Amino acid sequence: NAGVTQTPKFQVLKTGQSMTLQCAQDMNHEYMSWYRQDPGMGLRLIHYSVGAGITDQGEVPNGYNVSRSTTEDFPLRLLSAAPSQTSVYFCASSYRQGLTDTQYFGPGTRLTVL
Amino acid sequence: QKEVEQDPGPLSVPEGAIVSLNCTYSNSAFQYFMWYRQYSRKGPELLMYTYSSGNKEDGRFTAQVDKSSKYISLFIRDSQPSDSATYLCALIRDTGRRALTFGSGTRLQVQP
Repeated sequence: NAGVTQTPKFQVLKTGQSMTLQCAQDMNHEYMSWYRQDPGMGLRLIHYSVGAGITDQGEVPNGYNVSRSTTEDFPLRLLSAAPSQTSVYFCASSYRQGLTDTQYFGPGTRLTVL
Repeated sequence: QKEVEQDPGPLSVPEGAIVSLNCTYSNSAFQYFMWYRQYSRKGPELLMYTYSSGNKEDGRFTAQVDKSSKYISLFIRDSQPSDSATYLCALIRDTGRRALTFGSGTRLQVQP
């Protein structure tokens, strides 16, 4: 199992450009989510999905779009990049086990917006 | 005010020391409590989780939750240089959403 994979590892964008961060998992997990990590802020939830075709907003959704057409993939789209979106982005997937579930994180994408 | 507060450190200890990492939270709706470890330039990995007040032990790691004080701790015994990482507490309020609310993380350095 590859687990959770993310591409690209690094990206530099200019203000106003758009791009898609890719996330895939091969564990057949129904729940997937996107977080951003900024210094001193911990990880904050952007969007999440409880299954194919179902997505919802997290804590900081503005400027980002998601879709979930398959169980495996959960791409994150930046519509018009802004310097405030400079961050490290983590994708996670999980399944319910007992009372809660274990979230598995990908290696992250480091994004710089100039 | 943040929902989850965590001392950012850095915390530097000698090898073999007992390490205490802590978080406080303000919302009593949080039901599940987790600790993640994150090595530099890597994704977080789950260390431990618990859902009740009291202690839970796993090898050198002990997670402690005091719901009445809204205080959670992670203790590391016999700390090793390989424990050097950032430790993040994470709480779940709504099991339907399963979304994690993270502390800001404490950076730990264990000196050989």
